[in-house]
Amino acid sequence: DSGVTQTPKHLITATGQRVTLRCSPRSGDLSVYWYQQSLDQGLQFLIQYYNGEERAKGNILERFSAQQFPDLHSELNLSSLELGDSALYFCASSVGGADSPLHFGNGTRLTVT
Amino acid sequence: AQRVTQPEKLLSVFKGAPVELKCNYSYSGSPELFWYVQYSRQRLQLLLRHISRESIKGFTADLNKGETSFHLKKPFAQEEDSAMYYCALKGPYNTDKLIFGTGTRLQVFP
Repeated sequence: DSGVTQTPKHLITATGQRVTLRCSPRSGDLSVYWYQQSLDQGLQFLIQYYNGEERAKGNILERFSAQQFPDLHSELNLSSLELGDSALYFCASSVGGADSPLHFGNGTRLTVT
Repeated sequence: AQRVTQPEKLLSVFKGAPVELKCNYSYSGSPELFWYVQYSRQRLQLLLRHISRESIKGFTADLNKGETSFHLKKPFAQEEDSAMYYCALKGPYNTDKLIFGTGTRLQVFP
């Protein structure tokens, strides 16, 4: 499958901990986006990278950070976790540019206990 | 501020009935709008975009700038149309981020 790959699929951790979510974009895609989907919430845009550089920032908490590596994969780091951080975290990728659609991964379900 | 509103969380219809999923947006510039769909156990995927003026799986969506709407329509719903539908607005020109609505779940009963 040459689509967007996210690992792990599920993650259960305790409050105060730190986790890293990983995303491999589609082959050839330069842009990576991170979204958070909480219960009863739509997809909240967190951050976008394009070819290793931060391109746009949304409602991303200071406890969260991300980066895109030279091989274009991306990691989302969530620290000092709170119960409210429990959510589905989606990664998407695109070629980049105004008309290019986003291709989504299956998401990582994070549960903070 | 840029915002996408989908007022209906759930829309239930019978097979063969017309469907309209509502989407309203708030954007000061010239908007680029999309509909994404997520079928059960599948990834979120692009359904259609307004600049293409296309019909995908029988669905169409017309941008109405006067009403700031981009409603998704299909004249005759099919059971396989049951899914979660998200309306999305592209951010400022110098970014490619998408701003999503909260989604509408469409249930088509036989």
